Amino acid sequence: KAGVTQTPRYLIKTRGQQVTLSCSPISGHRSVSWYQQTPGQGLQFLFEYFSETQRNKGNFPGRFSGRQFSNSRSEMNVSTLELGDSALYLCASSSTTSGSARGEQYFGPGTRLTVT
Amino acid sequence: KNEVEQSPQNLTAQEGEFITINCSYSVGISALHWLQQHPGGGIVSLFMLSSGKKKHGRLIATINIQEKHSSLHITASHPRDSAVYICAVLTGNQFYFGTGTSLTVIP
Repeated sequence: KAGVTQTPRYLIKTRGQQVTLSCSPISGHRSVSWYQQTPGQGLQFLFEYFSETQRNKGNFPGRFSGRQFSNSRSEMNVSTLELGDSALYLCASSSTTSGSARGEQYFGPGTRLTVT
Repeated sequence: KNEVEQSPQNLTAQEGEFITINCSYSVGISALHWLQQHPGGGIVSLFMLSSGKKKHGRLIATINIQEKHSSLHITASHPRDSAVYICAVLTGNQFYFGTGTSLTVIP
């Protein structure tokens, strides 16, 4: 099976712009989670989608949003970019089923976003 | 206040040594994950635990739910084990992460 893929791998944006990142999960996985990793804060959970519905959300401002399509592919969007949004954004898919605790996470390679 | 604490933060070992990384957490959890991150960013899930002990090759993970503590052991360490090891706990529907342990194994 192909692994989790993320596009683009690298991105440079200017403060105030918006950005959309894409994640394709492992075939058959319906849960997609997004994480932000920075040197200062480490890894932080952004949100999780399951069957096109946001199931869980971390403590991030509303500028961070996401969605999931019927084929389980997911996108996350960050509007009005700030310098502090520079980070590695990781998505992970899981074969967890509805109602159960999220299972083992399979991570993509990440998108490195730089905001200037 | 960090829900997840890892120790040590940095660890240097000689090839062949037995290594232990510790993780303590302060919240009730449904599962604990050990992750490995190599330079360049890629993360691999090593273990998911809710009780007891698991073993994959030279890696062993244990968890004590009553003491809210988990350990990751690496037997016969090798330079390719050099990476950052991250403990993550699932509580309710939130993931909390430790700050990671940076391991360097010297040949």
